[in-house]
Amino acid sequence: QKEVEQDPGPLSVPEGAIVSLNCTYSNSAFQYFMWYRQYSRKGPELLMYTYSSGNKEDGRFTAQVDKSSKYISLFIRDSQPSDSATYLCAMKSSSNYKLTFGKGTLLTVNP
Amino acid sequence: ETGVTQTPRHLVMGMTNKKSLKCEQHLGHNAMYWYKQSAKKPLELMFVYNFKEQTENNSVPSRFSPECPNSSHLFLHLHTLQPEDSALYLCASSQGDRTSTDTQYFGPGTRLTVL
Repeated sequence: QKEVEQDPGPLSVPEGAIVSLNCTYSNSAFQYFMWYRQYSRKGPELLMYTYSSGNKEDGRFTAQVDKSSKYISLFIRDSQPSDSATYLCAMKSSSNYKLTFGKGTLLTVNP
Repeated sequence: ETGVTQTPRHLVMGMTNKKSLKCEQHLGHNAMYWYKQSAKKPLELMFVYNFKEQTENNSVPSRFSPECPNSSHLFLHLHTLQPEDSALYLCASSQGDRTSTDTQYFGPGTRLTVL
């Protein structure tokens, strides 16, 4: 079983839709969860950072962690064409620099 | 220049060539990383340097040779590569203090094609 599973998509939605991106993981030691956004021909940039279970909101983005189910989500409200990118989930255990990434989900928001 | 920069952005090389990738970070960080990103695969950590010392070599073939002369610069020397080494090579940096908030910042990557 892979440590982190993420559906690579592609996912295509109309502008204004609510987007849900998800990852599952198997390592119960993971405590810190991140979402990176990667535009075409660019490096990943950190979008959201959450610790343990719960929700975190930042503008149109909400990150959700359910440690009991080993499941994390990123919700994008009122999606815009500028949100079109690959979204990578990443996670790490406590006091460890090493990130474990999902494969990334390619999202296209159509105007 | 701000953030993490990488040169060249694109590189095409034959299997017998020797080339080097360069990364520079302007964030005052102490840790630098090399990752490989291939299509349909997760990012693979290759090497980690913390305060110029290599702290991780993730079973990377010897045809990849990293060099970290100081905390701001990181190189990846390439020789006798294989076509399957074609990928996007990403450099990242972080504070390197191994705390929970030690966030990695990525450069734009070098797109490498091995013929």
